[in-house]
Amino acid sequence: QSVLTQPPSASGTPGQRVTIYCSGSSSNIGSNYVYWYQHLPGAAPKLLIYRNNQRPSGVPDRFSGSKSGTSASLAISGLRSEDEADYYCASWDDSLSGNVLFGGGTKLTVL
Amino acid sequence: QLQLQESGPGLVKPSETLSLACTVFGDSISSYYWSWIRQPPGKGLEWIGYIHDSGSIKYNPSLKSRVTISVHPSRNQFSLRLRSVTAADTAVYYCARDGRSRDRGRFDYWGQGTLVTVSS
Repeated sequence: QSVLTQPPSASGTPGQRVTIYCSGSSSNIGSNYVYWYQHLPGAAPKLLIYRNNQRPSGVPDRFSGSKSGTSASLAISGLRSEDEADYYCASWDDSLSGNVLFGGGTKLTVL
Repeated sequence: QLQLQESGPGLVKPSETLSLACTVFGDSISSYYWSWIRQPPGKGLEWIGYIHDSGSIKYNPSLKSRVTISVHPSRNQFSLRLRSVTAADTAVYYCARDGRSRDRGRFDYWGQGTLVTVSS
């Protein structure tokens, strides 16, 4: 069971805005950066958001991240069929001498 | 453009040791942190551990007793050894470049992944 909690699924229609949430605690999200990854079938995960709300070069501005307290969210606006993928949040956790935690993942379906 | 490539056996017998290597192309392995991450079939991502060529190493506490990550600067490679494997260790194993200092968990470059099956 992941210490970072994500809903197992989310859905939306093309053009809609969808938000995926990630809940943690004071030892991880509450005191460290949050990262978001997009994982398409058969491909390596792709970094979408780093340092809570920063986009790497090449990631469309349809993707945005935010963090408040011990929770974070990833918003996707102008939903497209190619956005259908698994999305994972990640954060460093300061407990147990430290390690990287991933959320359980959210399967996004574009209806 | 930085590229990473995993290599190693795709089949390992139960109780034996899983060994993988990750070769880095396009930049020196020095001065960065490098991680191993895995994904069991139908499950989510799990961080295994990281290494820096300075000797800094950190492992996932849940795997710490069975894992060794090493770096080989002369070959621009780092490697993973996981001992006493069981079927639960069957997964796609990824190598990735990790972030510096407070950016641990920022995996900006990944290998394509390699499936390792544990079976007799």
